[in-house]
Amino acid sequence: SQQGEEDPQALSIQEGENATMNCSYKTSINNLQWYRQNSGRGLVHLILIRSNEREKHSGRLRVTLDTSKKSSSLLITASRAADTASYFCATPSGNTPLVFGKGTRLSVIA
Amino acid sequence: ETGVTQTPRHLVMGMTNKKSLKCEQHLGHNAMYWYKQSAKKPLELMFVYNFKEQTENNSVPSRFSPECPNSSHLFLHLHTLQPEDSALYLCASSQEGAGGPETQYFGPGTRLLVL
Repeated sequence: SQQGEEDPQALSIQEGENATMNCSYKTSINNLQWYRQNSGRGLVHLILIRSNEREKHSGRLRVTLDTSKKSSSLLITASRAADTASYFCATPSGNTPLVFGKGTRLSVIA
Repeated sequence: ETGVTQTPRHLVMGMTNKKSLKCEQHLGHNAMYWYKQSAKKPLELMFVYNFKEQTENNSVPSRFSPECPNSSHLFLHLHTLQPEDSALYLCASSQEGAGGPETQYFGPGTRLLVL
């Protein structure tokens, strides 16, 4: 069953701008993860945020988690053309270790 | 490189063929996964192996048959596939503990086309 859902489905921005993607989920979680996928390739893990954390940073990435609203956001600051990819949130659901959303397709235009 | 390799990277097969996909992880992880990624659909978990034991099979048709001979290798045996089985097949591994799902490391995938 689908747990996480990303919003927007697609996002197009200019290089240097910030990109924000959101994820909503349905059931209680102990962690939420964000992944990135370049076209036709495997997924690459970006950040794992645990349920007792509210914010986490990694380089130009900032992830927030609001367990009361069952939502998370991924912010990419000062975007680059190389950030063009699909971004997925993933959460546990029932016995399934991780359930992925449909993703946000980010296009960064040089 | 994520430490997870998959072969072949591309595969074209007829509906009557039998082929196998191979995945190998060099990370010492205790769990391995097969996922299917079709266009415009979320990533679908097919099989999970923990310590070489299959712990999840998400109602996958029997024409897909997984095999996990040891904790580093995972195979997906394919036979009499249908055109709708054309997709990107991704393998992943993780080190699972009591604290909940951990980071999964993905291979580059096998792009499968069934004619």
